[in-house]
Amino acid sequence: GIQVEQSPPDLILQEGANSTLRCNFSDSVNNLQWFHQNPWGQLINLFYIPSGTKQNGRLSATTVATERYSLLYISSSQTTDSGVYFCAVGLAGTASKLTFGTGTRLQVTL
Amino acid sequence: GAVVSQHPSWVICKSGTSVKIECRSLDFQATTMFWYRQFPKQSLMLMATSNEGSKATYEQGVEKDKFLINHASLTLSTLTVTSAHPEDSSFYICSAMRAGGQETQYFGPGTRLLVL
Repeated sequence: GIQVEQSPPDLILQEGANSTLRCNFSDSVNNLQWFHQNPWGQLINLFYIPSGTKQNGRLSATTVATERYSLLYISSSQTTDSGVYFCAVGLAGTASKLTFGTGTRLQVTL
Repeated sequence: GAVVSQHPSWVICKSGTSVKIECRSLDFQATTMFWYRQFPKQSLMLMATSNEGSKATYEQGVEKDKFLINHASLTLSTLTVTSAHPEDSSFYICSAMRAGGQETQYFGPGTRLLVL
C-alpha cells in the first residue's frame, strides 16, 4: 500500500516562531488533506489540497503532486497550535479512503 | 456546518461484553462514513467503510464478525465491538463525507474504549 511519511516527528517551538511540516507519499494521489488533532483527540480539518497552494489565516499549505509531497506552514505559532498534525492521502479510484501519515507532534511553549 | 457527533465519548466495560458506538452527522447527509482506530501515540488506521443501505467494507486484517457496522440511515452509523477484550481498548473515531460534496471527511470527537 501507499506509504505516507511526515517530518519532523516531533517539534517544539516558542510562541511566535514559524515552522514547516512535510508530508511525503509514495504514489500518485487524488486526495490530500491536512488535519490537526487537538490534545483531546478531535481532528480538525485544515486543508483539502490535492494540488496547489491554499492559505487560511496563519496557516498555508502547498502540494506538489508531481513530486509527491505536501508542506504545511504555520506562522506566528500560538500555544493553541499544539497537538498532532496529520496529512492523509487518497488514491485515484479510491480517493475517499484515506491513508494517514505518521504525524508531527507539535508543542508550542510560552 | 459539517458537524459529526459520537456517543458515548468514553466507555469502560468488562471483558466479554459488547459495546455499541454511534456516529451521527448532525447537519448534513452522509452516504459514506468511515471508522478508524487509533492506539496511543500512533496514527489513525482505517477499519472499515460504511455505506448507507449496504454492507460495510472492511480493511485487511479487521474481523467483520468482531466489529459489526450498521449504516441504516443517511445520518447514523454504528460500530459494535462484540465480545470485547483488553486488546480492543483504543480510541475509535468515525468520519463522514457529505453526500455530493468533495472528498473532504469530517471527523467525530472519538470514543475511548477501555476493556478491563
